[in-house]
Amino acid sequence: DQQVKQNSPSLSVQEGRISILNCDYTNSMFDYFLWYKKYPAEGPTFLISISSIKDKNEDGRFTVFLNKSAKHLSLHIVPSQPGDSAVYFCAASGGNFGNEKLTFGTGTRLTIIP
Amino acid sequence: ETGVTQTPRHLVMGMTNKKSLKCEQHLGHNAMYWYKQSAKKPLELMFVYSLEERVENNSVPSRFSPECPNSSHLFLHLHTLQPEDSALYLCASSQALSGYEQYFGPGTRLTVT
Repeated sequence: DQQVKQNSPSLSVQEGRISILNCDYTNSMFDYFLWYKKYPAEGPTFLISISSIKDKNEDGRFTVFLNKSAKHLSLHIVPSQPGDSAVYFCAASGGNFGNEKLTFGTGTRLTIIP
Repeated sequence: ETGVTQTPRHLVMGMTNKKSLKCEQHLGHNAMYWYKQSAKKPLELMFVYSLEERVENNSVPSRFSPECPNSSHLFLHLHTLQPEDSALYLCASSQALSGYEQYFGPGTRLTVT
């Protein structure tokens, strides 16, 4: 049973527009959420995170929104740039899984069209 | 070297071979992890070491044997693997107990023939 789900395997967005990547989770005990970005032939790179006590966290062009009642989080990238083309993974930790364990989604491949 | 490094980057081995994957972190972290990434599947946590002690073994077959000789080095010893073990094996590290972010190496692409 997948506890972190990314239902869109791929997304294409025009350069300069907003990219919105979505993630759903089922375990209400998760209390920390992260987004990772992965280029081909490289390991995932930490991008941005949010604690369950917040509903928004912003870092430059990247904003993560958390809706705890819906068990949903999203990553907004604005404006989108060609270098943002990568696979984005949502991950969650906490609760009875402990702080050190991350549960990952399957990823969404984002393609920015110049 | 900076960050998390992994060697080799690519490995092809037969089912009867014995090989080892190596991971080294240069971040001063004290927790290290092995993950497996198969096509179209989420990253699967295999092993967790915190302060050089194994704290998690996620029902991984015994043909995978981890070793953590110190807080900077992590090995994954492989023997009598199956073709379905072909995957990308990722190592990660974190500062246990004080943060949640894990930092990943580039991975070893393993093919079992």
